[in-house]
Formats: sequence, structure tokens, C-alpha cells
Amino acid sequence: LAKTTQPISMDSYEGQEVNITCSHNNIATNDYITWYQQFPSQGPRFIIQGYKTKVTNEVASLFIPADRKSSTLSLPRVSLSDTAVYYCLVDVSGNTGKLIFGQGTTLQVKP
Amino acid sequence: GAGVSQTPSNKVTEKGKYVELRCDPISGHTALYWYRQSLGQGPEFLIYFQGTGAADDSGLPNDRFFAVRPEGSVSTLKIQRTERGDSAVYLCASSVQGAGDTIYFGEGSWLTVV
Repeated sequence: LAKTTQPISMDSYEGQEVNITCSHNNIATNDYITWYQQFPSQGPRFIIQGYKTKVTNEVASLFIPADRKSSTLSLPRVSLSDTAVYYCLVDVSGNTGKLIFGQGTTLQVKP
Repeated sequence: GAGVSQTPSNKVTEKGKYVELRCDPISGHTALYWYRQSLGQGPEFLIYFQGTGAADDSGLPNDRFFAVRPEGSVSTLKIQRTERGDSAVYLCASSVQGAGDTIYFGEGSWLTVV
């Protein structure tokens, strides 16, 4: 199973761009890279998914280098409401689609 | 409702008691997942249903845990002889068909065993 490594925590200030990098050295050829966000007392919420290069949606951008051994989630101009835990996942296990979560990165946005 | 619905939202039970947690997935979703999340940890996979059948139950910790989905929609997670270590948030999630589809989570059922 592909293992991910990401920082345990990060601090930022309102209005800044935040980049969270995830390492996945053993990513398999058919693995996609998926990021989830979790607020306190809520279930995780899908943010973005990509396979290579760059993906952008209304919430975030995902940058994936050619070797796919890492990825960077970019949150533009964060606000206090972006304080949450962010999970990087690369393991789509077999044909079930089940997600294997690590500890995630706790992002604290300060005023 | 539009999202995954879980009941109860909170449950306090005494050690040794039996507990049932219910999940109502998004309408039309055939894939359903149960996860358990302890404080400060990421969600831990328990079981996956495709329709009515448990296609992957490799995450169930022991035989005190059981889940059913008799009609391919609502699912119930059953915990027998609860122990204090079972205290956690139990998350249910669903997706359209499984692999490759976005997985949507409910808000969880907080279980406290005293």
C-alpha cells in the first residue's frame, strides 16, 4: 500500500497562500492523488483529485510533478474558516475505492 | 436529505452494552463504507458494502463488530459487549459505485462507552 508523509501541522495567516506538500514515494501507476478536508465534528470532505501536472477547482489547486512522488495542495488566500485537517491519500485499494487515511496536516489559520 | 445521514449523532452507553449505529447513504449510491476515528487520528476503514453484500470487512477489529445492509440502502453498524476502547466517532460514507468515485462522508456518530 502506498504510504503518504505530510507535515503534522502548519500555521498561516489570513490572506496568505498555503501550500501543503505530501510525499508518496511508492505511488503506483494507477493511483490517483486525492485530498480531503476535515473540520472539527464533521466528516472528511473531498477537495480535489489529480493524476499528474496541475488540477484547479474553485477551492484549491493541486500540483503534481512528473515523477508523481509528491504533490502539493495550494489554498489561495486562506481565511479563518480554512482551519482544518487536510489529508493526502494515494491508495485506491483494489476495486473497492476505500480510502486509507494517515494523520493529516492540521492547518491553523490565524487572524 | 442530500447528504449521508447518520443517527444517533451522539450515544453514551455503559460498558458491556449493545449498540446500533445507523447510516442512510446518498440516494442511489451503491457503495457504502464505515470508518472509525479516534481523537487526533485519521479515519480508520472498517467495512465496505457494494449493494447488500459486505465486499471488504478486513477493517473490523474483532467479532464484536458487525454491519448489515439488507436492502442495499440503509446500513447498521452493530457493536456487542462494548468496551471503553470502542469510544470513537463512527463515520459512514457512500459513493456512486465504488472505485474511482468521490466518497461522501456523513457527520458521524460519536460513541462514548463509560
